[in-house]
Amino acid sequence: NAGVTQTPKFRVLKTGQSMTLLCAQDMNHEYMYWYRQDPGMGLRLIHYSVGEGTTAKGEVPDGYNVSRLKKQNFLLGLESAAPSQTSVYFCASSFGGQPQHFGDGTRLSIL
Amino acid sequence: RKEVEQDPGPFNVPEGATVAFNCTYSNSASQSFFWYRQDCRKEPKLLMSVYSSGNEDGRFTAQLNRASQYISLLIRDSKLSDSATYLCVCLGAGSYQLTFGKGTKLSVIP
Repeated sequence: NAGVTQTPKFRVLKTGQSMTLLCAQDMNHEYMYWYRQDPGMGLRLIHYSVGEGTTAKGEVPDGYNVSRLKKQNFLLGLESAAPSQTSVYFCASSFGGQPQHFGDGTRLSIL
Repeated sequence: RKEVEQDPGPFNVPEGATVAFNCTYSNSASQSFFWYRQDCRKEPKLLMSVYSSGNEDGRFTAQLNRASQYISLLIRDSKLSDSATYLCVCLGAGSYQLTFGKGTKLSVIP
């Protein structure tokens, strides 16, 4: 039972490069989320989705885009990476109103 | 005022001690509450939900005081393996978004 799977686990980018983080869940959850976690800041919501084909902005959406073309997948894109986007990124999924299940994170460094 | 506030700690306690964490929330419409545990360099994992009547799971007891907008977590007979950061989490009414506190760090010392 895989739960929530994030790829890649680690990545180093140069400023201005683009990349996509993939999140996949096998629990048939409707809702999916992308967070970033920085020291002293706690978890901050970037974007979320309440169903296939829908996305919405969270607390810190600037510089990121998302897509939910399939129910089980939620993609997070960085079009032009900046050093301020160096962080640990977590994906999560849930049924509505229920606790979220997290992936094990992607450590992203922007040089 | 932050939506969910926790004492960041660290709490350094000896094995076998009882330790309590507190959390306050500002959104009076919050309906559901949870405690998550996060180990160093790992993802947050659900520890327990918090119910209005209070609930217990082994050595862990969670309490909710809606009037004071206050949540607590009590850990009895602390183990070395309890060392982690504990996150207080609230879900607003009609909302699909969880609001996380910044966490309280616990270190259990031999």
